[in-house]
Amino acid sequence: SQTIHQWPATLVQPVGSPLSLECTVEGTSNPNLYWYRQAAGRGLQLLFYSVGIGQISSEVPQNLSASRPQDRQFILSSKKLLLSDSGFYLCAWNKGVGEKLFFGSGTQLSVL
Amino acid sequence: AQSVTQLDSHVSVSEGTPVLLRCNYSSSYSPSLFWYVQHPNKGLQLLLKYTSAATLVKGINGFEAEFKKSETSFHLTKPSAHMSDAAEYFCVVSAANQAGTALIFGKGTTLSVSS
Repeated sequence: SQTIHQWPATLVQPVGSPLSLECTVEGTSNPNLYWYRQAAGRGLQLLFYSVGIGQISSEVPQNLSASRPQDRQFILSSKKLLLSDSGFYLCAWNKGVGEKLFFGSGTQLSVL
Repeated sequence: AQSVTQLDSHVSVSEGTPVLLRCNYSSSYSPSLFWYVQHPNKGLQLLLKYTSAATLVKGINGFEAEFKKSETSFHLTKPSAHMSDAAEYFCVVSAANQAGTALIFGKGTTLSVSS
């Protein structure tokens, strides 16, 4: 069966520090991968999605970037965190666009 | 620990009949609860949310949900289904704790609507 792993679960970082959140999927190949964020009081916002290795689409301009170095690995990064980057980040995968999404356990990021 | 259980993986209704998608939650803290919808070939959309105000929450497209603390439930309903309601629905619990705020997604319920 397929599983998705996301870490760390919580992270407290100072403003200006770098960020790396990692997500891996097991039990499937060539998944579509997604990074979502929920800011306080708002719904989920799609940040990035990837349909294959090295293929990254960005939905909103921001201070973050994403990379997919391997088929089942999706990394969310920042060179210098801003206060506004605080929020809850979710990794997700599915078989293809429009297919059912499966979510990771999320990362609560606090930038101080 | 927080958790959310969507009791039906698949619900089938006829157009014009009521819709009931069931969700139970478990939370050690005062939860916020959400229903999200994912239409085919589209991203997630927030249907409605409960944040400790009125227990009956009205959302978009005629959907509503009632928070019942005694039953730890947050079922989604609609009086009359439309073909365009066919989609995947996720119940989500958000609970604040010392570490921050976590989102827990249910496994989803696929709603099929027949004519």
